Amino acid sequence: GDSVTQTEGPVTLSEGTSLTVNCSYETKQYPTLFWYVQYPGEGPQLLFKVPKANEKGSSRGFEATYNKEATSFHLQKASVQESDSAVYYCALSEDSGTYQRFGTGTKLQVVP
Amino acid sequence: NAGVIQTPRHKVTGKGQEATLWCEPISGHSAVFWYRQTIVQGLEFLTYFRNQAPIDDSGMPKERFSAQMPNQSHSTLKIQSTQPQDSAVYLCASSALYEQYFGPGTRLTVL
Repeated sequence: GDSVTQTEGPVTLSEGTSLTVNCSYETKQYPTLFWYVQYPGEGPQLLFKVPKANEKGSSRGFEATYNKEATSFHLQKASVQESDSAVYYCALSEDSGTYQRFGTGTKLQVVP
Repeated sequence: NAGVIQTPRHKVTGKGQEATLWCEPISGHSAVFWYRQTIVQGLEFLTYFRNQAPIDDSGMPKERFSAQMPNQSHSTLKIQSTQPQDSAVYLCASSALYEQYFGPGTRLTVL
């Protein structure tokens, strides 16, 4: 069946350093890929989505490229801030409007 | 736009009791999804509705769990005879197209 695998956390970084959270997926179909962020006490919020291969999504300084050949969708940010501390989830959806399958989440802590 | 509303935010039940969780989707969204979140299992899909009709309940435990959407403004998730392993945060999301908008969740604790 479908699966999403992402970097295990927690990940601790110093402010101003770069972030990469790896995400790989397995699916029989051609999915739409998502990155979500979740803060304590809240539900996940969509960071961005990318429906097409070889396209890039970005928001708030975060970006990820849909690599269909490598079945990967790694999240990157050049310079993290303390306010980026949260849990990040990679997710996929096979068809428009169906449920999304989430990775296990990566907890990021950014220290001053 | 108030976002997805879930009530209650916290619920504590005794083992064997029933729990009903409520979700009010964003107005105009045609799909409502239920997920369960635990430390061990992460975010798991339970069930979803589109235009109030049940579409996929493949993630729902077959016993004790049921979901309904009697009108476009709310959905309920009912757990009968709750067990300690049902303790989790239950998240509701609504969607117009691909993007899902999540509520804050209901934290269910079964003692």
